[in-house]
Amino acid sequence: SQQGEEDPQALSIQEGENATMNCSYKTSINNLQWYRQNSGRGLVHLILIRSNEREKHSGRLRVTLDTSKKSSSLLITASRAADTASYFCATAGSQGNLIFGKGTKLSVKP
Amino acid sequence: DVKVTQSSRYLVKRTGEKVFLECVQDMDHENMFWYRQDPGLGLRLIYFSYDVKMKEKGDIPEGYSVSREKKERFSLILESASTNQTSMYLCASSLGGVAATNEKLFFGSGTQLSVL
Repeated sequence: SQQGEEDPQALSIQEGENATMNCSYKTSINNLQWYRQNSGRGLVHLILIRSNEREKHSGRLRVTLDTSKKSSSLLITASRAADTASYFCATAGSQGNLIFGKGTKLSVKP
Repeated sequence: DVKVTQSSRYLVKRTGEKVFLECVQDMDHENMFWYRQDPGLGLRLIYFSYDVKMKEKGDIPEGYSVSREKKERFSLILESASTNQTSMYLCASSLGGVAATNEKLFFGSGTQLSVL
């Protein structure tokens, strides 16, 4: 029961560039979350944006939410090699639990 | 910081074996979850629990069971392991008291299980 879908599936950029990842979802939401996963590790929560918010910042991260288009984007500015990871969006599933997309794999080359 | 500890990082088992995956959290969280992660399929919810001795099926419960005898511990059991259960298993917890989707999840480091 996939709720969110990230796009692109993979992204390769140079250090210092900005990285933008998108998430589209199907049903109305109360909030949307973004997580990061380093290779072979667990996921780490990055940011939660509520349905009445349009934009949220956390350090070099900027998340936007457009409920009319049922989409969100995660922007990482001035990327670093350490940002290399997979990024997932998560929204509520039919049982009221978090459902994750398949993720965007970001590679930042030094 | 919340710590979610999974008992093994890597596990190799034989087909037909009974497998226990243990997860412990140290922050008195109400909610605990088990996901499996496979390439191309993302994370899929197996089981979750909102309270001690309580369990609910997720999207893919077949072939699995769970146990939550104590608040801090949530065990995933593969009654008779099969090769299609080879996967990365991720345990997570959240504070509880509100809908799980309004809270952030804290994940363990994962257990890479290989069933031969």
